[in-house]
Amino acid sequence: DAKTTQPTSMDCAEGRAANLPCNHSTISGNEYVYWYRQIHSQGPQYIIHGLKNNETNEMASLIITEDRKSSTLILPHATLRDTAVYYCIVPPEYGNKLVFGAGTILRVKS
Amino acid sequence: NAGVTQTPKFRVLKTGQSMTLLCAQDMNHEYMYWYRQDPGMGLRLIHYSVGEGTTAKGEVPDGYNVSRLKKQNFLLGLESAAPSQTSVYFCASKRDRANVLTFGAGSRLTVL
Repeated sequence: DAKTTQPTSMDCAEGRAANLPCNHSTISGNEYVYWYRQIHSQGPQYIIHGLKNNETNEMASLIITEDRKSSTLILPHATLRDTAVYYCIVPPEYGNKLVFGAGTILRVKS
Repeated sequence: NAGVTQTPKFRVLKTGQSMTLLCAQDMNHEYMYWYRQDPGMGLRLIHYSVGEGTTAKGEVPDGYNVSRLKKQNFLLGLESAAPSQTSVYFCASKRDRANVLTFGAGSRLTVL
């Protein structure tokens, strides 16, 4: 399974873009990158996923490098409500064990 | 459409007692998962199921048993609770091989 590495924590000013990095250097050709977030005490929430092209939805954008060894989740205009733990995961192409790491604590400050 | 519902939301047990956590989903999802989350930590996978009648071990299965007798329900059992099992337990489900999980609100368990 591809291991992911994320910074422990990050700060972002309200209204600015939050860029959350994730390294997944052992990712294989058909493994997707998924992002989730967990707002304090709540169940995690799916944000976005991608294979190799950049993706955008109403919540965020996902930029995956050409070699696919890293990705960045972008929250274009962070608000205080975006303060959460953000998890980057790379599930195995075959198999159903979905393992989460420690994630990145994002603190959005006014 | 309730999504994923966990019962109970809170429970206090004494060491050695047993209990069952119930996870119910109304989305006709094939796959279901149980995670635990200790304070300040990430999620750790306990057990999971890829369909009715199936279960498989996750990262931290010891001390827990599970059953998936009906597609919509995934039960997590503690036969003899220990203080180390004090945690918040999250259930999640997904429809198919795409890994878009829907999580429940969590069940907070304290073992004294």
